[in-house]
Amino acid sequence: GQQVMQIPQYQHVQEGEDFTTYCNSSTTLSNIQWYKQRPGGHPVFLIQLVKSGEVKKQKRLTFQFGEAKKNSSLHITATQTTDVGTYFCATSGSGGYQKVTFGTGTKLQVIP
Amino acid sequence: SQTIHQWPATLVQPVGSPLSLECTVEGTSNPNLYWYRQAAGRGLQLLFYSVGIGQISSEVPQNLSASRPQDRQFILSSKKLLLSDSGFYLCAWGGGDTQYFGPGTRLTVL
Repeated sequence: GQQVMQIPQYQHVQEGEDFTTYCNSSTTLSNIQWYKQRPGGHPVFLIQLVKSGEVKKQKRLTFQFGEAKKNSSLHITATQTTDVGTYFCATSGSGGYQKVTFGTGTKLQVIP
Repeated sequence: SQTIHQWPATLVQPVGSPLSLECTVEGTSNPNLYWYRQAAGRGLQLLFYSVGIGQISSEVPQNLSASRPQDRQFILSSKKLLLSDSGFYLCAWGGGDTQYFGPGTRLTVL
């Protein structure tokens, strides 16, 4: 099955600094999704990318899908304490059963 | 809009005791349903998925089982819990390619 590796595993940043997490696969992905899990909470869907080279923005968050559709990144500009949590990338296959494979996650800690 | 419910929110059980966690979905019909487990500080492990009533597929062999007695109800069970069953259990439904998660049940096995 598809596997996605995510780096780094942990990241501590000073509030106001930028943050980036990367998701990599050895195979071409049909799509990439990003989820955020706040401490003690459940994962919440953020966005999905499907096109090669696609870039989407949500306020201070920028999501990018690589040209070869084998990697993706999530970049947060000027982090805030509300950005604290674990960010997961994920990918799903085609067909009626949409099995979503999650990356290992990047835990972000923002120091005020 | 769709809503997903899970209960209980937290649970402390002794080793060897049975388990039943329930998940229900509102606002959608014939959803794909999923059970995940998340160990402390770890990623999401898919346990079971279901594409319809009575249809269960297991991803990881273990002492857990799942059932789907109704279209929007998904149950996770165990006859005898192990210490390694501790974790955060998340139910999700699939909307297209994405997953929408319930609030989860935090299970501690002592």
